[in-house]
Formats: sequence, C-alpha cells, structure tokens
Amino acid sequence: DTAVSQTPKYLVTQMGNDKSIKCEQNLGHDTMYWYKQDSKKFLKIMFSYNNKELIINETVPNRFSPKSPDKAHLNLHINSLELGDSAVYFCASSQDLVLAGGSLPFFGEGSRLTVL
Amino acid sequence: GESVGLHLPTLSVQEGDNSIINCAYSNSASDYFIWYKQESGKGPQFIIDIRSNMDKRQGQRVTVLLNKTVKHLSLQIAATQPGDSAVYFCAESYSTDKLIFGTGTRLQVFP
Repeated sequence: DTAVSQTPKYLVTQMGNDKSIKCEQNLGHDTMYWYKQDSKKFLKIMFSYNNKELIINETVPNRFSPKSPDKAHLNLHINSLELGDSAVYFCASSQDLVLAGGSLPFFGEGSRLTVL
Repeated sequence: GESVGLHLPTLSVQEGDNSIINCAYSNSASDYFIWYKQESGKGPQFIIDIRSNMDKRQGQRVTVLLNKTVKHLSLQIAATQPGDSAVYFCAESYSTDKLIFGTGTRLQVFP
C-alpha cells in the first residue's frame, strides 16, 4: 500500500482549463501539504492543512484552491491554468504540525502537470 | 529570505569514494535542518536531520555537519554507491511548521 498516493501521475492540459490533483495518505497523519517543484528542481511549499484546517498558504495565486474533505485527503484544484503552472506537484503528510524527527513531511511520488 | 538557486549543481564521484554535498542556508534563526534524497521520478525521502544545538550527527554511511557561524550544512556519504545517485536537498526550519528547501545538488556516481 502506498503511504501517500497522488492521482493523476501525469496531466497534460491546455491553458485556461481547470484541473484537480488528488492526494490520499494512509499513515494516520494529521498534517498534509502541497509542494511545487519547478523545472530547476526548486521545491517550495504551497499549502499545509492540519486536521482539515488550513495552516499555511504561501502567497499562492487564488486560482489554486486546496480542499481537505477529511484529514486523510488533500486535493488541489487549479483554475484557469497558465503556462507557468507547469511543474511537478508533491503531496506530503506528517504526524503533526511541529517538525521533529518523528514528524517530517513524507512525500508522495508527484504529479507532473504540463500546461500547453 | 529563501535559499533560491538558479542552477542545479552536480557532483560526480566514483563508486567507492566519499561524497560531500554542501548547502548554504539562509536564516540564522533556523534551528532544525534536514537532508532529503530525491531519485528520478520519485518524491523526496528523508535521510538525516540535525538540530542547531549539535554540529555533527551520524547515520548509516551518512554524516551531517552543521556550521552555524557561516550558515553551512554538509552531507557526507561514505563509500558512495550507484544507488546514491539522486538529487540531494537540504531544508531548514525556523518556525517548526514548514521547511524551506535549498537548491538541490545532483550526485552522479560512476563505476
């Protein structure tokens, strides 16, 4: 069983479309994250949720809307896709909010989004 | 500020040699540091961490060194193996609720 699973793994779409990426974790963690990795491999946090509550929103355009229906799921919806949104999006989860040896983000395998 | 890199540096080593990957972090208030390994097509995986009250920590074949004076972190990999080929990221935390990732270094291991 995959601990943090994301779907789809690959997504190719046209500018202006709306798309979603889904994430589920079966680790029983309370905190989930979305990270964006650009073409230069730079990895940056976008959002974090703790027990379905938004904790971090890192000045991400409001075209990006995360939704956490329960603490095991954190989906990412993107409206009006732009070329610059092309990236690999990683979902992650951790035991809780406080970063420590036993509670670090555990990453999924990523979803590669290509906007044409 | 954030450690933003423009290029992905590459370190090439021969199998069996030791590797040293360096990282400059940005915030002198950061108190927790982590090294992640990212293999091609995968997400980052935790390798080792260190708190700011330490200057060295050892794991299995890996050692992390922290120099707070110059805000420098290094990851040493002993007897590098082909399976160590990956991109390595350092990450810092100063508010305990998020990680700031460094640029990343690609490690290539040759037979």
